[in-house]
Amino acid sequence: SQQGEEDPQALSIQEGENATMNCSYKTSINNLQWYRQNSGRGLVHLILIRSNEREKHSGRLRVTLDTSKKSSSLLITASRAADTASYFCATRGGSNYKLTFGKGTLLTVNP
Amino acid sequence: EAQVTQNPRYLITVTGKKLTVTCSQNMNHEYMSWYRQDPGLGLRQIYYSMNVEVTDKGDVPEGYKVSRKEKRNFPLILESPSPNQTSLYFCASSFSGSLSEQYFGPGTRLTVT
Repeated sequence: SQQGEEDPQALSIQEGENATMNCSYKTSINNLQWYRQNSGRGLVHLILIRSNEREKHSGRLRVTLDTSKKSSSLLITASRAADTASYFCATRGGSNYKLTFGKGTLLTVNP
Repeated sequence: EAQVTQNPRYLITVTGKKLTVTCSQNMNHEYMSWYRQDPGLGLRQIYYSMNVEVTDKGDVPEGYKVSRKEKRNFPLILESPSPNQTSLYFCASSFSGSLSEQYFGPGTRLTVT
């Protein structure tokens, strides 16, 4: 069953612009994680935000978490062509041993 | 270098011919997991293991087997592969399941004809 759902499914922007992706989930979480996947390759962890945190930064990435709305957003500032990838959110899927991924947002950054 | 390795990276096989995809991690992680990724369906968990000799089903376990005899290895076994198991498979490991970040292998692209 899908716990996290990303929105939009696809996003196309110009280099230098900011990109915002959203994730909604259904049940209680310990944390929410964001991953990046370059075409056909393994996923790479970006940020983990715990349920008692509201915002977290890592370089050009900013993640927010609103547990009252069961939603999170990932902001990539000053995007680059190299940011072109699929971005997934992942949350606890029913137990601490199950991590459930959304279907992802495909971000295209045009040079 | 900390990593998760999978072999083979690409495999084309025929229906019914048993195969094993190996997965190994060098980070002393207790938790390991297998996922399959299909267009439009995202990443779905097949099986996971909380520690040696402890495994459990994920969301799509039918047609797959796993074993965890050593901490570093978590092979995925397809006893009788079928065309609907054509997919991109990922192994992942972490310190503590969904409570920590996952480290993913590079993927195994399997085609069953």
